[in-house]
Amino acid sequence: EDQVTQSPEALRLQEGESSSLNCSYTVSGLRGLFWYRQDPGKGPEFLFTLYSAGEEKEKERLKATLTKKESFLHITAPKPEDSATYLCAVQTSGTYKYIFGTGTRLKVLA
Amino acid sequence: GAVVSQHPSRVICKSGTSVKIECRSLDFQATTMFWYRQFPKKSLMLMATSNEGSKATYEQGVEKDKFLINHASLTLSTLTVTSAHPEDSSFYICSAVGREGQETQYFGPGTRLLVL
Repeated sequence: EDQVTQSPEALRLQEGESSSLNCSYTVSGLRGLFWYRQDPGKGPEFLFTLYSAGEEKEKERLKATLTKKESFLHITAPKPEDSATYLCAVQTSGTYKYIFGTGTRLKVLA
Repeated sequence: GAVVSQHPSRVICKSGTSVKIECRSLDFQATTMFWYRQFPKKSLMLMATSNEGSKATYEQGVEKDKFLINHASLTLSTLTVTSAHPEDSSFYICSAVGREGQETQYFGPGTRLLVL
């Protein structure tokens, strides 16, 4: 059965304290892996799409990487405005449907 | 680019009434749109997939007569919650996928439904 697991469930960081969020997946055929940011009461905001192992993408303080089993979202020197829930989703071959992880709630303290 | 809007952003209704939520892709044509439901502090639960001009495909456990979906054009999909009850209160979010081969889903801002 296709499955996506995110860890940790919640994370508190001090401003400037770098860390990584994990997204582990087991799927029959990976079409793409997606990272989103969601603020309370809002829809998910697109961050990155990764297609193949070894691929990396960066945007400001965020960097996403992909292996054959997992993806990491690295946050370098986070700021309070990076506080949000980060969602990982996997798309399998032959469909546009996503399988979502349960998300990581990130809180960055000033 | 890739902006998706939803209307209304929040709605309060009485039990037994029907509520329609609109989802529009503003700057691209959406071949496929998705409807999700999200409970507090939980991830998104896919309700149905809709393609322009064809019937929606519902996920297991989602009542198609309760949640009517219409994808009338390449930029508009609607979700109608029929005879709403308090247990239908939730955060409903739509997403859209563009041209064939473009896999990324772009999400709307969500609609908060409260049924009294």
